[in-house]
Amino acid sequence: EAAVTQSPRNKVAVTGGKVTLSCNQTNNHNNMYWYRQDTGHGLRLIHYSYGAGSTEKGDIPDGYKASRPSQENFSLILELATPSQTSVYFCASGPSGTGNERLFFGHGTKLSVL
Amino acid sequence: AQKVTQTQTSISVMEKTTVTMDCVYETQDSSYFLFWYKQTASGEIVFLIRQDSYKKENATVGHYSLNFQKPKSSIGLIITATQIEDSAVYFCAMRGMSNYNVLYFGSGTKLTVEP
Repeated sequence: EAAVTQSPRNKVAVTGGKVTLSCNQTNNHNNMYWYRQDTGHGLRLIHYSYGAGSTEKGDIPDGYKASRPSQENFSLILELATPSQTSVYFCASGPSGTGNERLFFGHGTKLSVL
Repeated sequence: AQKVTQTQTSISVMEKTTVTMDCVYETQDSSYFLFWYKQTASGEIVFLIRQDSYKKENATVGHYSLNFQKPKSSIGLIITATQIEDSAVYFCAMRGMSNYNVLYFGSGTKLTVEP
């Protein structure tokens, strides 16, 4: 079973502070994703990556940066955190292919920005 | 643009009955893939079942099946003989061939199975 590990599991940050959420996958998947989950919105795509060194903007990238230094690691960076970024963040990975591939999700990071 | 809509916010059913969760989608792509994922109370999100747009047969896995109505851009999830442990949030998702690396999700339907 594919393994996607997120850290930290919970984070409290102050407004204006920098926050880094980390994600590691051990299944050699090319594609990795960051989603946020908010009530009424489901899962919304923030950034994604096709492989080491690449990052792409998703539907809601404003206020977020992403970094993919290696095949295994994908980080989400909030340079200046705001209360509106309080949410649960999910990392996912998946193989590249023809489009019918499933995603494997981490357990989520609950972020509170005060 | 791709869009996935789940209008049922929550559903409550009795154990051992059958439930259907609705999902409609919008896409300009002629070929696409539709997925259902389940989020348990612990927050874990797992893949359940997939329907390929070019297949006429409805997908079935265990006690999960799909009702794919392509002319209506609809993909319903049917759970038969529901169990307490089926209580969860269910997400519909879509991936179109114009950007097959991106998966778009609906807002989810919370299912409660009562004993």
